[in-house]
Amino acid sequence: RKEVEQDPGPFNVPEGATVAFNCTYSNSASQSFFWYRQDCRKEPKLLMSVYSSGNEDGRFTAQLNRASQYISLLIRDSKLSDSATYLCVVMDTGRRALTFGSGTRLQVQP
Amino acid sequence: DAEITQSPRHKIIETGRQVTLACHQTWNHNNMFWYRQDLGHGLRLIHYSYGVHDTNKGEVSDGYSVSRSNTEDLPLTLESAASSQTSVYFCASSYSSNEQFFGPGTRLTVL
Repeated sequence: RKEVEQDPGPFNVPEGATVAFNCTYSNSASQSFFWYRQDCRKEPKLLMSVYSSGNEDGRFTAQLNRASQYISLLIRDSKLSDSATYLCVVMDTGRRALTFGSGTRLQVQP
Repeated sequence: DAEITQSPRHKIIETGRQVTLACHQTWNHNNMFWYRQDLGHGLRLIHYSYGVHDTNKGEVSDGYSVSRSNTEDLPLTLESAASSQTSVYFCASSYSSNEQFFGPGTRLTVL
């Protein structure tokens, strides 16, 4: 079983749609959680950190459920520029390296 | 502006050859990491370093080595390249447990 699992997609949605991505992680010792965005053939970039209380950044909302070991990302009012692969990422206790999911590909269509 | 760079950006080598991929960051970050990215696997950790002269193995370290002689650089060496090491390699750096910044990647092909 992979440490971090995501639905690979692709998710094909029209502009303006709301789309949600889910992610589960297996290591209960994981301490920090992130969503990274990766454009085609580019390096990953941090989209947002994920906190137990949930957090929002403009059109993006991330939530964490530690009991279920589940992380989500909600994108409202999708833009063409949101088309990318979204990587669910966890950091375990003591190690500052990241464990990545395989990513969920989003394609926003006009 | 501070940045993280990788070189070469593309490399083709023959099986059995040695190759070193360079990673250089100007943020003065303590932590540096090497990942490889393959279809279906996402990014996987090869080696990492918390500071000068510190190196640690990641989940896919076999066939790779690193050394950290200064804060800015963490070169990744493939001692005897194998076709299974064809991949895209990303270097990253961070300060403490904060955001990791990734380099642009090196696309390595082993024939």
